[in-house]
Amino acid sequence: EPEVTQTPSHQVTQMGQEVILRCVPISNHLYFYWYRQILGQKVEFLVSFYNNEISEKSEIFDDQFSVERPDGSNFTLKIRSTKLEDSAMYFCASSFKGLANYNEQFFGPGTRLTVL
Amino acid sequence: GNSVTQMEGPVTLSEEAFLTINCTYTATGYPSLFWYVQYPGEGLQLLLKATKADDKGSNKGFEATYRKETTSFHLEKGSVQVSDSAVYFCALSDRDAGNMLTFGGGTRLMVKP
Repeated sequence: EPEVTQTPSHQVTQMGQEVILRCVPISNHLYFYWYRQILGQKVEFLVSFYNNEISEKSEIFDDQFSVERPDGSNFTLKIRSTKLEDSAMYFCASSFKGLANYNEQFFGPGTRLTVL
Repeated sequence: GNSVTQMEGPVTLSEEAFLTINCTYTATGYPSLFWYVQYPGEGLQLLLKATKADDKGSNKGFEATYRKETTSFHLEKGSVQVSDSAVYFCALSDRDAGNMLTFGGGTRLMVKP
């Protein structure tokens, strides 16, 4: 069964460093997403991406964040200068349709980012 | 804006007990509703979904009915197992508000043998 994969599973970094979180969405999916979950809190939407551009973003997704689809398979989230409060589990998701009656998103296993 | 409210946990049950996890929502449009499950150390998995009023989503013995009149999507299971111990998230997707999922706070379920 196709699945979304994410690497690494755990990333430890120093405050102020850049990190890139990687995702491989399901191959025929067209819409890609990043969410984050700070420990013990709810899952929060960060950004959605379609047709090689950002389609929506939340207020969390500020100038420190960027996303890219560098080739036909990978989808990346970059944090330019990490802060302690960026420590969270980051989930990638993908879906085939966006504007549909329902929007089933398939999630990866997550990358746990720890900023020291 | 859209929001999802779930009953706070943890919910602790004995094996074979009946489970209800309440979920209510606020949406500007006509949302689709989902339950996701997160097992310890794992990511989110879609458990069930419903796309229109009175639809019943079901999977692995879990059920939830889309109630437009009460804006609710309560999760139920007739007989829980230890293996059901996980965090359950109610979520909605509203086409009028973009493609993102809006999640509730999650409810931790602990089932004891």
